[in-house]
Amino acid sequence: SQTIHQWPATLVQPVGSPLSLECTVEGTSNPNLYWYRQAAGRGLQLLFYSVGIGQISSEVPQNLSASRPQDRQFILSSKKLLLSDSGFYLCAWSSWTPSGSNSPLHFGNGTRLTVT
Amino acid sequence: GESVGLHLPTLSVQEGDNSIINCAYSNSASDYFIWYKQESGKGPQFIIDIRSNMDKRQGQRVTVLLNKTVKHLSLQIAATQPGDSAVYFCAEVSSGNTPLVFGKGTRLSVIA
Repeated sequence: SQTIHQWPATLVQPVGSPLSLECTVEGTSNPNLYWYRQAAGRGLQLLFYSVGIGQISSEVPQNLSASRPQDRQFILSSKKLLLSDSGFYLCAWSSWTPSGSNSPLHFGNGTRLTVT
Repeated sequence: GESVGLHLPTLSVQEGDNSIINCAYSNSASDYFIWYKQESGKGPQFIIDIRSNMDKRQGQRVTVLLNKTVKHLSLQIAATQPGDSAVYFCAEVSSGNTPLVFGKGTRLSVIA
């Protein structure tokens, strides 16, 4: 069965420090991968998605970046964190289908980031 | 854990009653819809999905209804239980391998 792992579960970082959040998926090949952010009291905001190694689409311009160095690894980074980067970061995967038909997203348990 | 849904619409239901959570979507080209359940401090969990060639789909204790004419989606939960308390999101997508668009969410509170 497929599993998705995110770490760390919680993180407290000072303003201006770098960030690296990692997400890995097991049990599937060539998944679509996603990073979402959820602020308290808000819905899910799509940050980045990737349909293959080295292919990253950015939905929201900001001081975050994403990379996909391996098929089942997705990394969210920042060189200098802002207070507004605080939130709940969720990684998700979905199956890639040749026909383009959609499949559900499966989420990890998230990383709660607090920038102080 | 992370506190989500502090300012979201709230639906309060007595334990054992049926719950109906509604969602309006905006893109008439959307052809795939999903309901997710999110408990505090956790990622959203898939509940049920429906494609645009259907107007109703049933799962275990849950039913999703799709009305494409008015662009409305609903989730019905039968015999609501305390464990159903969570924030529920609808999501839509209009073409293959493109990201889902999520609604704002509704908090379901079950009164024992």
